[in-house]
Amino acid sequence: TQLLEQSPQFLSIQEGENLTVYCNSSSVFSSLQWYRQEPGEGPVLLVTVVTGGEVKKLKRLTFQFGDARKDSSLHITAAQPGDTGLYLCAANFGNEKLTFGTGTRLTIIP
Amino acid sequence: DAGITQSPRHKVTETGTPVTLRCHQTENHRYMYWYRQDPGHGLRLIHYSYGVKDTDKGEVSDGYSVSRSKTEDFLLTLESATSSQTSVYFCAIRRPGTDTLHGANVLTFGAGSRLTVL
Repeated sequence: TQLLEQSPQFLSIQEGENLTVYCNSSSVFSSLQWYRQEPGEGPVLLVTVVTGGEVKKLKRLTFQFGDARKDSSLHITAAQPGDTGLYLCAANFGNEKLTFGTGTRLTIIP
Repeated sequence: DAGITQSPRHKVTETGTPVTLRCHQTENHRYMYWYRQDPGHGLRLIHYSYGVKDTDKGEVSDGYSVSRSKTEDFLLTLESATSSQTSVYFCAIRRPGTDTLHGANVLTFGAGSRLTVL
């Protein structure tokens, strides 16, 4: 079973600060997705990265796929209270199933 | 609206009773998934389906069965519920992506079904 580790598990920062969360595995991914989940709702897809070294941006969020395709990061610039939520990475290891990480619970303090 | 609904949204039951959760989609997608979400474990795949009457196991399938008799419905059954099956259950459908940001395949999740087994 491939494992996907996310760090940190919890993060609480002030509005306006920058932050980075990480997703790592010992196995190579075919692709990796980042989701955000709010309380009482299902996860919502933010981005998919496929190519090693790839960088994608979604407003203040920057997603990077590691060159070796074993890790990814999510960087948020000037965090806003609306960024609060559970951030999940999910990897495709070459089959029809997605493996999810344990998540990073982010709280932005106004 | 993502076109996916789960029912019931909340259920409390007793150990040993059967429970069925329903996932309904309105968009005719081939792939459907059942996950459970528990603190410290993230989302774990229980079973998935790749067509009518075509299903396969995920990483935590013990104690669960599924059925898909028609494209729009994917049922998850706990034959004899146990306290360890207390969890939030999410159904998802796989849809084609429509932009480069989201890629070729997009998982769209339902709102979840919270199950408590006493």
